[in-house]
Amino acid sequence: DAGVIQSPRHEVTEMGQEVTLRCKPISGHNSLFWYRQTMMRGLELLIYFNNNVPIDDSGMPEDRFSAKMPNASFSTLKIQPSEPRDSAVYFCASSLTGTYGYTFGSGTRLTVV
Amino acid sequence: GIQVEQSPPDLILQEGANSTLRCNFSDSVNNLQWFHQNPWGQLINLFYIPSGTKQNGRLSATTVATERYSLLYISSSQTTDSGVYFCAVGSDRGSTLGRLYFGRGTQLTVWP
Repeated sequence: DAGVIQSPRHEVTEMGQEVTLRCKPISGHNSLFWYRQTMMRGLELLIYFNNNVPIDDSGMPEDRFSAKMPNASFSTLKIQPSEPRDSAVYFCASSLTGTYGYTFGSGTRLTVV
Repeated sequence: GIQVEQSPPDLILQEGANSTLRCNFSDSVNNLQWFHQNPWGQLINLFYIPSGTKQNGRLSATTVATERYSLLYISSSQTTDSGVYFCAVGSDRGSTLGRLYFGRGTQLTVWP
């Protein structure tokens, strides 16, 4: 298995632009998580899906952030419009259920200038 | 949410030394995982260990769920062990269902 695949690995964008991060979970996993990592706040859960349904989006910072999971093999996290404070590493993770070991993707390093 | 405290925050070792990392948590959990974030930023799952003891090579982990702590042991440390070690916990109750709460990590540096 190729693991959890995220794209792009790096994204540099200007303030105000739309940013879309993509994630392909491990085949057969039914839970998918989006995390954000910053020096100040550490690893924060933004949203997670179970069987393609959003279960908890209380970590999404504000309406500028949205996430979708149209099918079991693909999810997107969109920021519109982006701001410099959104600069962080965004990780996607998947698991077989919500209670077993997570597998993380390699992350997307987002820089908003 | 569940509070997770890791200690020590920083640890510097010479190659070959042993170390123990600790994770305390504030509530009963049925999910506990240890991760290693390498210097390139990749997060690797080391153990899924909500209770009991597991070993994988030079690494082992023990969780005493009733006392709300977990320990990660690294023996004969190598430079490749450097990075940040995270403990993450979760439960199946109420608003915390399905979530993992991460500690701030232990930054380990192993010198040759």
